[in-house]
Amino acid sequence: QKEVEQDPGPLSVPEGAIVSLNCTYSNSAFQYFMWYRQYSRKGPELLMYTYSSGNKEDGRFTAQVDKSSKYISLFIRDSQPSDSATYLCASDSGSARQLTFGSGTQLTVLP
Amino acid sequence: EPEVTQTPSHQVTQMGQEVILRCVPISNHLYFYWYRQILGQKVEFLVSFYNNEISEKSEIFDDQFSVERPDGSNFTLKIRSTKLEDSAMYFCASRRDTAKGETQYFGPGTRLLVL
Repeated sequence: QKEVEQDPGPLSVPEGAIVSLNCTYSNSAFQYFMWYRQYSRKGPELLMYTYSSGNKEDGRFTAQVDKSSKYISLFIRDSQPSDSATYLCASDSGSARQLTFGSGTQLTVLP
Repeated sequence: EPEVTQTPSHQVTQMGQEVILRCVPISNHLYFYWYRQILGQKVEFLVSFYNNEISEKSEIFDDQFSVERPDGSNFTLKIRSTKLEDSAMYFCASRRDTAKGETQYFGPGTRLLVL
């Protein structure tokens, strides 16, 4: 069972574009949602963390959760070449709140 | 800013050999995790560790794997007899606690290659 599904990409956009990254999840037990950024051959780096439906903004990044449709999104405004990375959505469950990841979307922002 | 560290960054081993991957979690964190990522695939949960014992483990974490916190700072993953399919990036993560608002921070990973 694929509990977190993510648009695979790859996605290529020009610098300054608005980027939309999306995931769906199937496990109703998921309560907390994260977006991680992963550069090639590096560890996931936490970008955004949210636990309620609605929007959460941090600089150029906005995370959106719709629990009724089990849909999570990350928007990047004014994208920069340095945003080029793989973006992973994740949710946690279980007593230890271990993470279930999506497959990742590879984003390239072209200068 | 505190961070999770892992050693070695790369490890090459022969099939059937034992390997130990080491992690130093963030100092005031209580929950520790190992994940792995086979090249081109998802990051997958292996095991979580709390209060000196395993709290959850996945079906991947079979008898060939073990974890230990041998002292107050290190957290290790041992693979007893490596197989070719164990080749992957192994990430350690830690979390302060499981309260709302707390989440996991990852180390840079150990790239394991089994020949």
